[in-house]
Amino acid sequence: DADVTQTPRNRITKTGKRIMLECSQTKGHDRMYWYRQDPGLGLRLIYYSFDVKDINKGEISDGYSVSRQAQAKFSLSLESAIPNQTALYFCATSDLRLPSGSLEGLGSYNEQFFGPGTRLTVL
Amino acid sequence: AQKITQTQPGMFVQEKEAVTLDCTYDTSDQSYGLFWYKQPSSGEMIFLIYQGSYDEQNATEGRYSLNFQKARKSANLVISASQLGDSAMYFCAMREGGGGSYIPTFGRGTSLIVHP
Repeated sequence: DADVTQTPRNRITKTGKRIMLECSQTKGHDRMYWYRQDPGLGLRLIYYSFDVKDINKGEISDGYSVSRQAQAKFSLSLESAIPNQTALYFCATSDLRLPSGSLEGLGSYNEQFFGPGTRLTVL
Repeated sequence: AQKITQTQPGMFVQEKEAVTLDCTYDTSDQSYGLFWYKQPSSGEMIFLIYQGSYDEQNATEGRYSLNFQKARKSANLVISASQLGDSAMYFCAMREGGGGSYIPTFGRGTSLIVHP
């Protein structure tokens, strides 16, 4: 079974509709993230969460909201979808602590683990 | 200003040859980490390799190596003996340690096509 799952995998909706994308993880990680990917723009951070009670805006949070229902679940909502929110959406997780050493850059790392992505089309 | 710059939108390489994908970064932190991810046409993001800012040796993972030039702030990915399955998008990312946020920033990606 996949460690990070996203539902739905594909969704076509109409302008103005409310959409929820869900993410679940079995890795036991504290940190969860939502990214969107657009051609030529790479991955841009929408929201991230360090634990259940922590929610932070990313680079492009306007038009989106999130909910961290449990350590393992992080949902992204589009309250009123618009066509320029058509994109590939990724959920990712990572551990909070570096496995050895206390500083980033000391040869230890906690890479992000990504879900399979949700392709959203807003007509 | 972009923190991660990948200047090559597309690259082509002949099968079995080596290819270098460029990545430059911008940070004032002393403590940071650099990552490369691969995204095949199926869409998933696959972690390839990590280089820490304090690591004195270049990271290697099988056919992947990271040419880390700290003074030039570059972290190029080298793929040796390219295979058809290496055709994919490749993303460079940086995670800065300053402030403790450790939130990765991604570049725009390079599309690699391996020709038979």
